[in-house]
Amino acid sequence: GQNIDQPTEMTATEGAIVQINCTYQTSGFNGLFWYQQHAGEAPTFLSYNVLDGLEEKGRFSSFLSRSKGYSYLLLKELQMKDSASYLCAVMDSNYQLIWGAGTKLIIKP
Amino acid sequence: IAGITQAPTSQILAAGRRMTLRCTQDMRHNAMYWYRQDLGLGLRLIHYSNTAGTTGKGEVPDGYSVSRANTDDFPLTLASAVPSQTSVYFCASSTTAANTGELFFGEGSRLTVL
Repeated sequence: GQNIDQPTEMTATEGAIVQINCTYQTSGFNGLFWYQQHAGEAPTFLSYNVLDGLEEKGRFSSFLSRSKGYSYLLLKELQMKDSASYLCAVMDSNYQLIWGAGTKLIIKP
Repeated sequence: IAGITQAPTSQILAAGRRMTLRCTQDMRHNAMYWYRQDLGLGLRLIHYSNTAGTTGKGEVPDGYSVSRANTDDFPLTLASAVPSQTSVYFCASSTTAANTGELFFGEGSRLTVL
């Protein structure tokens, strides 16, 4: 079966750095996506990785290793507004998105 | 403001009743999707439409139907609601079916079936 694993919850301090991991087992791979979802709101697109390596976008970076079935989202200079759930999703060989359950990130002052 | 509009925002429904969740987009995206989101689970695809006039079944289609008469509208109907359909429903769109990774989501419809 297809599976996306990410931690259920993480806590970090304002101004610090946090890394949210995602491991996947899917039938084929056509890209990995990270979305941010604030409580009670819609998910919004953050990043896309299809090749190995690091993609940087401001305070957020996303890393992919296809051989290890592994990705992480790195958030730097954490702000209170970064408190949200972060969803990892993989596009399989049929171009269907398989979603993880999300990681709830709690930022403390 | 361009985007996706869902209605209603929330609804309490008696089991056995018929319910239609509305979704309208003004971005002229070809592909549209309906997901449900339940606590502890990832988003699950109910139905999708790659272009106006076509629809397909997702991971959890049973008990739901959709139609795509035009580019902008993609309603989701529960013919006879059951308590297990209590969930938050998100409508989403993407520019094309091949670009299904970058989705634009509506604000969601919270449905409670009693």
